[in-house]
Amino acid sequence: DQQVKQNSPSLSVQEGRISILNCDYTNSMFDYFLWYKKYPAEGPTFLISISSIKDKNEDGRFTVFLNKSAKHLSLHIVPSQPGDSAVYFCAASARAAGNKLTFGGGTRVLVKP
Amino acid sequence: DGGITQSPKYLFRKEGQNVTLSCEQNLNHDAMYWYRQDPGQGLRLIYYSQIVNDFQKGDIAEGYSVSREKKESFPLTVTSAQKNPTAFYLCASSISHTNQPQHFGDGTRLSIL
Repeated sequence: DQQVKQNSPSLSVQEGRISILNCDYTNSMFDYFLWYKKYPAEGPTFLISISSIKDKNEDGRFTVFLNKSAKHLSLHIVPSQPGDSAVYFCAASARAAGNKLTFGGGTRVLVKP
Repeated sequence: DGGITQSPKYLFRKEGQNVTLSCEQNLNHDAMYWYRQDPGQGLRLIYYSQIVNDFQKGDIAEGYSVSREKKESFPLTVTSAQKNPTAFYLCASSISHTNQPQHFGDGTRLSIL
């Protein structure tokens, strides 16, 4: 069973507009959530994270929102830039399970100039 | 520069052969991880190690083996028992305690001849 799901396999957005990526999880023990960006044939690059004690974390153009009651998190990228075109993965971990990450299936973002 | 180095970038294996993928880090991280990515899918955890001389199975450990004799190194052996070894393999490391992001190498693509 998939404990972390990204239901949108792809997203297309115009340069300068907002990109919103969504992620749902089922394991209520998850208490730390991360977003990674990945280009083809490269390893994922860490973007931003959020602890379950917060509902929002912001870093430059990237903001992650966490809704614990809905078991949902989202990543907002604003403004979107062509260099943001990549696959984005959300991931989650539970303190009780050490630092093991469970990944979603990814969302491919295309930012059109 | 501190980072994670995976080698080789591309690897070919004949049927029935064992192959070993290298992962070295100079980040002084205690924890190291191996993931597998298949086309269009997220990352799945193969093995992880929180400390030298100790490691645990992840979600898909069958057909794989690891060792952790040095803090800097966490090699992964893909054995002939792994029936579908063709994939992109990613190594990661992190500070050992929880709620810390994992940092990834650039991966090794393994193909069967």
